[in-house]
Amino acid sequence: QQPVQSPQAVILREGEDAVINCSSSKALYSVHWYRQKHGEAPIFLMILLKGGEQKGHDKISASFNEKKQQSSLYLTASQLSYSGTYFCGTSWVTGGGNKLTFGTGTQLKVEL
Amino acid sequence: DARVTQTPRHKVTEMGQEVTMRCQPILGHNTVFWYRQTMMQGLELLAYFRNRAPLDDSGMPKDRFSAEMPDATLATLKIQPSEPRDSAVYFCASGWAGTDTQYFGPGTRLTVL
Repeated sequence: QQPVQSPQAVILREGEDAVINCSSSKALYSVHWYRQKHGEAPIFLMILLKGGEQKGHDKISASFNEKKQQSSLYLTASQLSYSGTYFCGTSWVTGGGNKLTFGTGTQLKVEL
Repeated sequence: DARVTQTPRHKVTEMGQEVTMRCQPILGHNTVFWYRQTMMQGLELLAYFRNRAPLDDSGMPKDRFSAEMPDATLATLKIQPSEPRDSAVYFCASGWAGTDTQYFGPGTRLTVL
């Protein structure tokens, strides 16, 4: 069952903030966030495993709610380099080495 | 800097021809995934391996696609015969069994005329 991502697309001016959500109908084991620039491979950003967890680096952070059914990716003070498509990859199976089910992606465009 | 490598990066072929794509996972990784990405379908999982054994190939058209891992450093995806609807970017990703995190290769852009 594919996770639901929202919004599908967002346009920002440089310096603005954005939130991308990834929701599941049942509790997840893990959530992985990726960014893909046009014509390139998806790049791993971060993983969340624990309910209530928050983590991040630079001005990109993410949270995992207590029920482990929703994760949000926060982009603050956006830069032109943040443009791309953001995917959440989810797993419902404990342990590791399992497949991920990816959301449909959120296209983010940052303009001057 | 450990990376997943894929060859070829681009492939243009005619309908009916055989296409073979290769992937070298990151050294030490024991899971390998093949994905197809199109504008319409997004990222679709075609097959994946753990310790070279196929675990799931349910996303792969069985009549024309095949995936193998002849050894731990090589994964192959073959299409025979190819069709125009196979035109897409094919990504290989690898990981290790301690986590579900996957690292993607640069992809093979396939065009079938």
